[in-house]
Amino acid sequence: GAGVSQSPSNKVTEKGKDVELRCDPISGHTALYWYRQSLGQGLEFLIYFQGNSAPDKSGLPSDRFSAERTGGSVSTLTIQRTQQEDSAVYLCASSLSSREDGYTFGSGTRLTVV
Amino acid sequence: QKEVEQNSGPLSVPEGAIASLNCTYSDRGSQSFFWYRQYSGKSPELIMSIYSNGDKEDGRFTAQLNKASQYVSLLIRDSQPSDSATYLCAVLARQLTFGSGTQLTVLP
Repeated sequence: GAGVSQSPSNKVTEKGKDVELRCDPISGHTALYWYRQSLGQGLEFLIYFQGNSAPDKSGLPSDRFSAERTGGSVSTLTIQRTQQEDSAVYLCASSLSSREDGYTFGSGTRLTVV
Repeated sequence: QKEVEQNSGPLSVPEGAIASLNCTYSDRGSQSFFWYRQYSGKSPELIMSIYSNGDKEDGRFTAQLNKASQYVSLLIRDSQPSDSATYLCAVLARQLTFGSGTQLTVLP
């Protein structure tokens, strides 16, 4: 696609429920990244994919968080048993390669856990 | 020590003035540096990249890099109200690491 597409744009969920966030990167971009941005904060790295493998998942905050990427394209970030502190904007970015000149971000998914 | 540090501001400048945004980083091995602009409620947008010591100019924007001092800055000349946003400094190490951002307000 022309840009990085994320869905849903907004998600309200009850504490304890599982959620899935989707990212469709720019066509041909092999590297894909997930970041989280809490209100008024900077971007917190979560996980990086090169193709379908995740060489760096050091930013995942707990084992409730997981992510996968299939076909070298779409990625899904899953949060199990959501907690209120998971409320944030989840941003996906992609780049041609891991050393690309900057990342292109999607518009994000705003997750609210009530 | 945070990996990438920015003055959180807020920074206010009058329209037409020069806005100066600063950033320091801790990883001496970093080679690639970026400035992103983020409007309220929007996602970050890449506005400048710099890889070598010195200045890099693009329109009203100038990025400055000093690797010895581990310092990156962004100058915005002839600031406009439309430049009002949060500016994020980002440094590429294993992955892109962001500062917490500086909120800039340009007053008409």
